[in-house]
Amino acid sequence: QVTLKESGPGILQPSQTLSLTCTFSGFSLSTYGMGVGWIRQPSGKGLEWLANIWWDDDKYYNPSLKNRLTISKDTSNNQAFLKITNVDTADTATYYCATIAAISPFDYWGQGVMVTVSS
Amino acid sequence: DIQMTQSPSSLSASLGDRVTITCRASQDIGNYLSWFQQKPGKSPRLMIYGATNLEDGVPSRFSGSRSGSDYSLTISSLESEDTAIYYCLQYDKYPNTFGAGTKLELK
Repeated sequence: QVTLKESGPGILQPSQTLSLTCTFSGFSLSTYGMGVGWIRQPSGKGLEWLANIWWDDDKYYNPSLKNRLTISKDTSNNQAFLKITNVDTADTATYYCATIAAISPFDYWGQGVMVTVSS
Repeated sequence: DIQMTQSPSSLSASLGDRVTITCRASQDIGNYLSWFQQKPGKSPRLMIYGATNLEDGVPSRFSGSRSGSDYSLTISSLESEDTAIYYCLQYDKYPNTFGAGTKLELK
């Protein structure tokens, strides 16, 4: 059974760095063809893809966030991470992590973690 | 970036109706198109991948199709549990891009 759970700081101030953790079970990020992605959703708005990391450590980012994103993984501990630097109120959202298989992206999702950026 | 133009933005239909939601891709994405269902307060759920493939556990009243650059999600006979927001996603090229969503309500 595949499960994912996001964790984060809850609230942070503008200009700080947001660090998110996705802890998962039921699959391994060292398995050929597996990946984890991060997606966010401001309250009442649509979904925005942020980044993907693959089993071979290949990484892809949404350029709209202008090099503020860093995705990484800890295969031994079944975790994936996302850092967003220099946050702004526009980064207030629910952040999700999700699995990516070779043919079906984002087939399993975490419950999401709410992040508020406020001074 | 590839733009996914989703329509309609909202839709009101009656139980038993046939419902169709469409996404148009601004560039060729082949069949790299998925559909997600999101209910209030819940995470999105994958419904269709590869434009036409039904994810395991999804009711057979849901189907996906493609005509050129237009991709459609169809519910053959609407049930009350289908009220949700539906999003398309292209995953052919980075950045992956979602449609703006379609809010499906009961009339």
